[in-house]
Amino acid sequence: KQEVTQIPAALSVPEGENLVLNCSFTDSAIYNLQWFRQDPGKGLTSLLLIQSSQREQTSGRLNASLDKSSGRSTLYIAASQPGDSATYLCAEFSGAGSYQLTFGKGTKLSVIP
Amino acid sequence: EAQVTQNPRYLITVTGKKLTVTCSQNMNHEYMSWYRQDPGLGLRQIYYSMNVEVTDKGDVPEGYKVSRKEKRNFPLILESPSPNQTSLYFCASGLVGSDEKLFFGSGTQLSVL
Repeated sequence: KQEVTQIPAALSVPEGENLVLNCSFTDSAIYNLQWFRQDPGKGLTSLLLIQSSQREQTSGRLNASLDKSSGRSTLYIAASQPGDSATYLCAEFSGAGSYQLTFGKGTKLSVIP
Repeated sequence: EAQVTQNPRYLITVTGKKLTVTCSQNMNHEYMSWYRQDPGLGLRQIYYSMNVEVTDKGDVPEGYKVSRKEKRNFPLILESPSPNQTSLYFCASGLVGSDEKLFFGSGTQLSVL
């Protein structure tokens, strides 16, 4: 059974700070990894998807990296804003005929004005 | 507008009374899946479907049924709900083999008394 771990469970930073969220996974045959954002009482929004053949993806102030050999992914948020406050989840999508999605438990980010 | 629509948004029922949560997507996605989200346990996959008439178990399928008779719809059926199925449920859809970014519904909060 694959496992995805996110540390820390919660993070509080002052506005304007750059920050890194961490995700580790056990699946050596990972197909892709996605980072999601979840706001309270709402569904998940996909932020970035990294295929197993890629090293990183960027969208605006967000940059996600993937290191299959170490089983790690990071989400870098530049110049954080209060609107970035949310729970961030990573999920690994296994291929090889078993399209299961395994989520981490998330990091709750609070950006303080 | 591209979207995944779940209904109902909130549902309160009693033990043993069969219920169905509907999920529909308008993006012609092959892949659809159901998840439940519980405090401390995160998001766990219940069932997924790679296409019409193709379904497979996720991590926690016990007590649930699904069907995929049409590409756009993927209902979740609880034939005899129990209190331990009280949870927040999400449906998601995505493409297969290209950009597998997932789109999530807004969620269904189910309470089984």
